Amino acid sequence: NAGVMQNPRHLVRRRGQEARLRCSPMKGHSHVYWYRQLPEEGLKFMVYLQKENIIDESGMPKERFSAEFPKEGPSILRIQQVVRGDSAAYFCASSPMGQGASGEQYFGPGTRLTVT
Amino acid sequence: EDQVTQSPEALRLQEGESSSLNCSYTVSGLRGLFWYRQDPGKGPEFLFTLYSAGEEKEKERLKATLTKKESFLHITAPKPEDSATYLCAVSGGTSYGKLTFGQGTILTVHP
Repeated sequence: NAGVMQNPRHLVRRRGQEARLRCSPMKGHSHVYWYRQLPEEGLKFMVYLQKENIIDESGMPKERFSAEFPKEGPSILRIQQVVRGDSAAYFCASSPMGQGASGEQYFGPGTRLTVT
Repeated sequence: EDQVTQSPEALRLQEGESSSLNCSYTVSGLRGLFWYRQDPGKGPEFLFTLYSAGEEKEKERLKATLTKKESFLHITAPKPEDSATYLCAVSGGTSYGKLTFGQGTILTVHP
């Protein structure tokens, strides 16, 4: 049973470019979460999605960041006009249970974004 | 707002020297407390979920316990391969999908 898959594993972007991070959840999981880990900081929640729905985006920066989880295909975290402060590791997690439940989340290997 | 504080920040042990990691939390209506292990350059690996005070879970050399205010991760006779960062997280209140993480404890086990 394949785990959570993320690609690319490493991404380098120049300031002002767009970054697209992809996440395929574990088989049988329909709930996806994105977290960001800044250097020397802990994991911070960004957004929680189900297929075609954003459930909780309370951790998303107000501008430049967006996320989707379409009916078909992976979840996408999109960062427009990247700045150096966006450099971080971005982790995706998935779970078989969602809203109202307290089940564990399984994490992918992360995408390390470097903005030059 | 949910808060998680882990201590110590770093812990160095000799192989076979048992110890405990602490996770103190503040949450409105705990629905679950989670322990993860993270190796450098990798994603967090799920270890345990605890749901209510008094609950305990064990896996190999690790044992997690939970009270109303804190959780402990006990490591018995650790080996060098137990070296990693151990993360504690909580789920609670009305944020059903959100995990709030502590800063982690960096554990180093010397042979």
